[in-house]
Amino acid sequence: EDKVVQSPLSLVVHEGDTVTLNCSYEVTNFRSLLWYKQEKKAPTFLFMLTSSGIEKKSGRLSSILDKKELSSILNITATQTGDSAIYLCAVTSSNTGKLIFGQGTTLQVKP
Amino acid sequence: ETGVTQSPTHLIKTRGQQVTLRCSSQSGHNTVSWYQQALGQGPQFIFQYYREEENGRGNFPPRFSGLQFPNYSSELNVNALELDDSALYLCASSLGIAGGPMGLYNEQFFGPGTRLTVL
Repeated sequence: EDKVVQSPLSLVVHEGDTVTLNCSYEVTNFRSLLWYKQEKKAPTFLFMLTSSGIEKKSGRLSSILDKKELSSILNITATQTGDSAIYLCAVTSSNTGKLIFGQGTTLQVKP
Repeated sequence: ETGVTQSPTHLIKTRGQQVTLRCSSQSGHNTVSWYQQALGQGPQFIFQYYREEENGRGNFPPRFSGLQFPNYSSELNVNALELDDSALYLCASSLGIAGGPMGLYNEQFFGPGTRLTVL
């Protein structure tokens, strides 16, 4: 059965800290891995990764995929209170376009 | 904002009742996927619609049904509501490619969700 596992489940840091969120997956015919940020309701898209070893960056956020290890990390540098949210990792397979989500990592950034 | 809208925002129902949730997809998108997110969990795939046809279904019973209209908006219907149906229901809009798995090559954009409470 396709599965996505995120760690840690929750994290509390102070402003300015750097955090690394982990995502591992088991999926038949892997196609892509996506990261979303969920603050109140709607998950908002952050990154889509399809190729191993190529880092994607957006401001203080970056992510990379390791297909050999079946995993991805999401890094946030110089964290701000506005980064407090649930970070969701999802994968798709070549067989279907559905998103298979992990349980999420809840990040709290304290002033 | 993604341009994906959902209604209603909140809904309270009792066990055994039926509910209809609505989703308007982003302009130019032809695919809608529905997800159920229980408290403290990641979203779980319910089903997907592409050009008015069901195009994949998750592990949900038949009392979860849906449809898509010619303008690509969509409805999710749940019959015989159970307490465990209490959740945030999210719809996601994407641009599908004919002949390929829908939403595969383009990210899915989520609406704000409908919070359903079953008492």
